[in-house]
Amino acid sequence: DQQVKQNSPSLSVQEGRISILNCDYTNSMFDYFLWYKKYPAEGPTFLISISSIKDKNEDGRFTVFLNKSAKHLSLHIVPSQPGDSAVYFCAANRMGSNYKLTFGKGTLLTVNP
Amino acid sequence: KAGVTQTPRYLIKTRGQQVTLSCSPISGHRSVSWYQQTPGQGLQFLFEYFSETQRNKGNFPGRFSGRQFSNSRSEMNVSTLELGDSALYLCASSLVSDTQYFGPGTRLTVL
Repeated sequence: DQQVKQNSPSLSVQEGRISILNCDYTNSMFDYFLWYKKYPAEGPTFLISISSIKDKNEDGRFTVFLNKSAKHLSLHIVPSQPGDSAVYFCAANRMGSNYKLTFGKGTLLTVNP
Repeated sequence: KAGVTQTPRYLIKTRGQQVTLSCSPISGHRSVSWYQQTPGQGLQFLFEYFSETQRNKGNFPGRFSGRQFSNSRSEMNVSTLELGDSALYLCASSLVSDTQYFGPGTRLTVL
């Protein structure tokens, strides 16, 4: 039972354009969501998070949007840069179950110069 | 501040052997979690320790175990290794928030 789904295994965009990575979840008890970026042979790097009491959180070029009714979140990267090329993981957490992240299977983003 | 460190980075074992992996969290972090990453299953939660106590456990067999020491360092042990245990094992530490910070991982290959 995959509770966090990233339905696009890969995404390719041109440098300078917007990258939009999507994530869906099924467990309505999830109330904290995170995005991580991962390069090969390295551990995931925390990018940005959002609590279920918000619908948007912004940090520089990265913005995460949360639509609770649709159980959907997305990560926007503007403008995209070649160094953003990596696998992006969406993760979710449930209050009272701290430190037990449930991850999606990741989306490989390729930003072409 | 130094990040999460994991040793060794690479390990090759044969079926039936056991292995111990080590993780040193970020200074001041008391929670340490372990994850297994495989191509087919993605990142899956193994267990989490806080103040030397296991607080959460994922759906893995009893061959997977761990512990945490008083200095918050943690070890993970896998006994009677199987081919399917080949994976990247990641350790993450947390302070008090929900954000976990990951180490570089240990790549385990079981032959």
